[in-house]
Amino acid sequence: DTGVSQDPRHKITKRGQNVTFRCDPISEHNRLYWYRQTLGQGPEFLTYFQNEAQLEKSRLLSDRFSAERPKGSFSTLEIQRTEQGDSAMYLCASSPQGRNGEKLFFGSGTQLSVL
Amino acid sequence: KNEVEQSPQNLTAQEGEFITINCSYSVGISALHWLQQHPGGGIVSLFMLSSGKKKHGRLIATINIQEKHSSLHITASHPRDSAVYICAVNVRVQGAQKLVFGQGTRLTINP
Repeated sequence: DTGVSQDPRHKITKRGQNVTFRCDPISEHNRLYWYRQTLGQGPEFLTYFQNEAQLEKSRLLSDRFSAERPKGSFSTLEIQRTEQGDSAMYLCASSPQGRNGEKLFFGSGTQLSVL
Repeated sequence: KNEVEQSPQNLTAQEGEFITINCSYSVGISALHWLQQHPGGGIVSLFMLSSGKKKHGRLIATINIQEKHSSLHITASHPRDSAVYICAVNVRVQGAQKLVFGQGTRLTINP
């Protein structure tokens, strides 16, 4: 499978615990995005990487959230001291570099439930 | 007011009907995407367009840059078209591209 893969598909955790999600983009794509989606809403931008550089981070991301893409390939999103409001679907997408925008390829997402 | 507004939010139609979903945006964009999301979260990119019109099978997407408006049309709709359709725009921020999403239109096609 050469699509975007995310792991795990589902995560249930207790409030206050740390969680980490992984995204493996399509191998030749140098752009990687993280989005968060709550029920009935469209996805919200969280952060964006071009290769290993994190170029933008949304104000939605508190200091409990951190994302990395150490070698410009896979990326991790960590949430520390989880809160119930963090419960959402976390989506990863990748794209090749383009001047005016590129077609996005999405992973299936990680559904986080904080109890 | 959201930067990207879709209408309607919910749409129910009978199989075979012609479907139109609208998207209006208030920011300067470099491209607009139409995405399809099925239950369970999987999102598929249907179209990316920056001008004019694109067609793929029974799906047609149009964009009017001057009016900041795009439409997604489905001809001869089928129950398998039932999904959430999301409009998203590429906004250039400090040289990087950022996608801003609409809230989605939930489409249900009844047999």
